[in-house]
Amino acid sequence: DTAVSQTPKYLVTQMGNDKSIKCEQNLGHDTMYWYKQDSKKFLKIMFSYNNKELIINETVPNRFSPKSPDKAHLNLHINSLELGDSAVYFCASSQNRAGEQYFGPGTRLTVT
Amino acid sequence: RKEVEQDPGPFNVPEGATVAFNCTYSNSASQSFFWYRQDCRKEPKLLMSVYSSGNEDGRFTAQLNRASQYISLLIRDSKLSDSATYLCVDFRGGGYNKLIFGAGTRLAVHP
Repeated sequence: DTAVSQTPKYLVTQMGNDKSIKCEQNLGHDTMYWYKQDSKKFLKIMFSYNNKELIINETVPNRFSPKSPDKAHLNLHINSLELGDSAVYFCASSQNRAGEQYFGPGTRLTVT
Repeated sequence: RKEVEQDPGPFNVPEGATVAFNCTYSNSASQSFFWYRQDCRKEPKLLMSVYSSGNEDGRFTAQLNRASQYISLLIRDSKLSDSATYLCVDFRGGGYNKLIFGAGTRLAVHP
């Protein structure tokens, strides 16, 4: 009965590769997010979707492309991975664009 | 200046102690704030909302001072299980629904 789930939990890959991270929520929320937490533990929003519509797109390289096939899913595809992409990526969801957000367990991405 | 600033700590306190964290925010128009808690290598979880009138939940009390643009979190009777990083959050609504996180304050409660 996991609320927000992400796969994979760990991802180790080489520079230049393309990878995807998947997120699913079973809370019935209408808004989903991607956050990046870097090595200094700073958590920063990347994207937000409300009812499959992109509403937040922070200054993120266009190598990062989110896709929301439906309200319960938000995937993140990353092209041409770079060393600086190494971080923990968290998916989150909320109802009605509220401040109470529920986070997934995170995907720890390591680019070598 | 960072949008949300926190003392990174760590705060090392014995069980039973009272500990307080402050955070300051730069956007004077901000209306809503939260405290989230993040355990080591885990996801952030909502701890409590912060209201102008103050908010108390058991051993936890959150306060907002708009004039000075700071938010506080008081933890009474600290437990070992309170050891975590506490994240101060500025919620930007208005259709964008962005959470602006501080870098967090680390708390270590020891026996």
